[in-house]
Amino acid sequence: EAGVAQSPRYKIIEKRQSVAFWCNPISGHATLYWYQQILGQGPKLLIQFQNNGVVDDSQLPKDRFSAERLKGVDSTLKIQPAKLEDSAVYLCASSLTGDRPHEQFFGPGTRLTVL
Amino acid sequence: GDSVTQMEGPVTLSEEACLTINCTYTATGYPSLFWYVQYPGEGLQLLLKATKADDKGSNKGFEATYRKETTSFHLEKGSVQVSDSAVYFCALRRGTGNQFYFGTGTSLTVIP
Repeated sequence: EAGVAQSPRYKIIEKRQSVAFWCNPISGHATLYWYQQILGQGPKLLIQFQNNGVVDDSQLPKDRFSAERLKGVDSTLKIQPAKLEDSAVYLCASSLTGDRPHEQFFGPGTRLTVL
Repeated sequence: GDSVTQMEGPVTLSEEACLTINCTYTATGYPSLFWYVQYPGEGLQLLLKATKADDKGSNKGFEATYRKETTSFHLEKGSVQVSDSAVYFCALRRGTGNQFYFGTGTSLTVIP
């Protein structure tokens, strides 16, 4: 079974530029998560989708971050414009949905450096 | 709100030493608890989980018991190996909504 795919793996941009990340979850996983992991910290949830609907985006800085999952499968996360403090690893994860405590499966992440 | 607090690292141990990484949580309702591991250069992967009070999760020689009375889920291993060197994250999943909350991670280095 293929895992969660993310691209690109690395991105270096200058502040005020825009950047987009892509995620393809495990087939059949209705729930998709985007996390931000700053060096030395744990992952922080940015947004959670169930199918193509948003379940939780309370910690997404909506003035500069946006995310979509139009067909309920792939998802993109965009930052526009980027700031220095956005330098982090952006993790995508997916899980089955339901009452059981399904585990999340993580992709390898995209390491963003903002100069 | 819901949160996880885990012991700060880094932790350095000699091979075959005993390991305990403390984790406590704050949550409403009945969360599920997880330990994830991140090996150098790799993504996060599930190590073990427990879904209700007094459950014990175990995998690869690691164990953790869900203690509701002390709101804890400490990770233990009796004899660590060099290959256990990684960053360990404690996490909880809310009883409803499927949201996850992670601790800050504890870096473990095991020396031969």
